[in-house]
Amino acid sequence: GAVVSQHPSRVICKSGTSVKIECRSLDFQATTMFWYRQFPKQSLMLMATSNEGSKATYEQGVEKDKFLINHASLTLSTLTVTSAHPEDSSFYICSARDRDGTGNTIYFGEGSWLTVV
Amino acid sequence: GNSVTQMEGPVTLSEEAFLTINCTYTATGYPSLFWYVQYPGEGLQLLLKATKADDKGSNKGFEATYRKETTSFHLEKGSVQVSDSAVYFCALRWYGGSQGNLIFGKGTKLSVKP
Repeated sequence: GAVVSQHPSRVICKSGTSVKIECRSLDFQATTMFWYRQFPKQSLMLMATSNEGSKATYEQGVEKDKFLINHASLTLSTLTVTSAHPEDSSFYICSARDRDGTGNTIYFGEGSWLTVV
Repeated sequence: GNSVTQMEGPVTLSEEAFLTINCTYTATGYPSLFWYVQYPGEGLQLLLKATKADDKGSNKGFEATYRKETTSFHLEKGSVQVSDSAVYFCALRWYGGSQGNLIFGKGTKLSVKP
């Protein structure tokens, strides 16, 4: 079946540094990818929607200058947390929509645990 | 706005017990409804879905029926196994927006003891 690979699965970074999380669709082309964030005991919250070749659409309250999203190809989207702070520590998960399917199938990555110390 | 509410966890059951995880939603129009499962160390996987009222989604012994009159999509399984231990997310997709993204509940952690 379709696979979405997310890397790294766990990362620890120092406060003030930037960290990049990659999301790859391994066996299908994804024109649309979604980035979610999950706080402890909370729902997965959509952060932004990225479309290949265009700027990401951010949800209200999400700082686009802090959470940089790049969707440069049909198989890769990246989320960069810039100048990370401890409050950015969270579980980030991406999902991708299969372009060649009905468009109704979305596949998720394994998620990335970010800890900012 | 659109939202999903599911029962708080964790839920702990003995093997072969009956499982129900409640999920209700608020949405305009006619959303599609989903249950996703996240096994330890893995990504979210689609467990089952229903796209219109009275549809029943089923997979791996799990079932859920799209009840528009009660705006519910409760997940059930007649006899759980230890391997069903995971976090279960109820979600809806609303097509009113251009992207039709998923809106999730908070997740319910299920632990099944042998």
